[in-house]
Amino acid sequence: DIQMTQSPPSLSASVGDRVTITCRASQDISKSLAWYQQKPGKPPKSLIYAASNLQSGVPSKFSGSGSGTDFTLTITSLQPEDFATYYCQQYSSYPVTFGGGTKVET
Amino acid sequence: EVQLVESGGGLVQPGGSLRLSCEASGFTFSDYYMDWVRQAPGKGLEWVGRTRHKVNSYSTEYAASVKGRFTVSRDESRNLLYLQMSSLRTEDTAVYFCARVRGTIGWHLDYWGQGTLVTVSS
Repeated sequence: DIQMTQSPPSLSASVGDRVTITCRASQDISKSLAWYQQKPGKPPKSLIYAASNLQSGVPSKFSGSGSGTDFTLTITSLQPEDFATYYCQQYSSYPVTFGGGTKVET
Repeated sequence: EVQLVESGGGLVQPGGSLRLSCEASGFTFSDYYMDWVRQAPGKGLEWVGRTRHKVNSYSTEYAASVKGRFTVSRDESRNLLYLQMSSLRTEDTAVYFCARVRGTIGWHLDYWGQGTLVTVSS
């Protein structure tokens, strides 16, 4: 199985900050990576697919980059509604696997 | 508008069975693969399983943790996705989400249901 390791597990940020979350795959997954945002009591929401493509309707303050084993999610100008937990997911091979999550908090 | 609505969760004893349903609307259900993903209380996301569509013979994939105990299936005449769970264990306690697999441009999960809670306890 491909292991997905996110860092940091949590981070403290303020409104207006630029935030970067990293995700590392245990083997090459090319660009088969997605990012999701989840708020308490809600389902995950798709943000990024194929490592760097923005899901329709997602604001451009979210961006993704990387390929192979190392990926990043960047949020520019953090807003109150962006405080949430973020997950990466690889879909290069079965089983599909998620990272452990990064909680962005104040 | 794409909508996915899960149902069927509840309290079940260890060793018991339960069937979850996910009603899909707002898109051509038969065109998409569909997944189940779960989240134990206070924990991260865990992929459970997938059903492909008719073109791919409704074939399925499963996580090792549920293989042989859970079955994903679909009824395209009713736009329903199912998760049949048997030999349930306490560690299967989780919110279960159904999700649509986007396909083609990226095999990510672009729409999710609200989830249904399954509690396995005596």
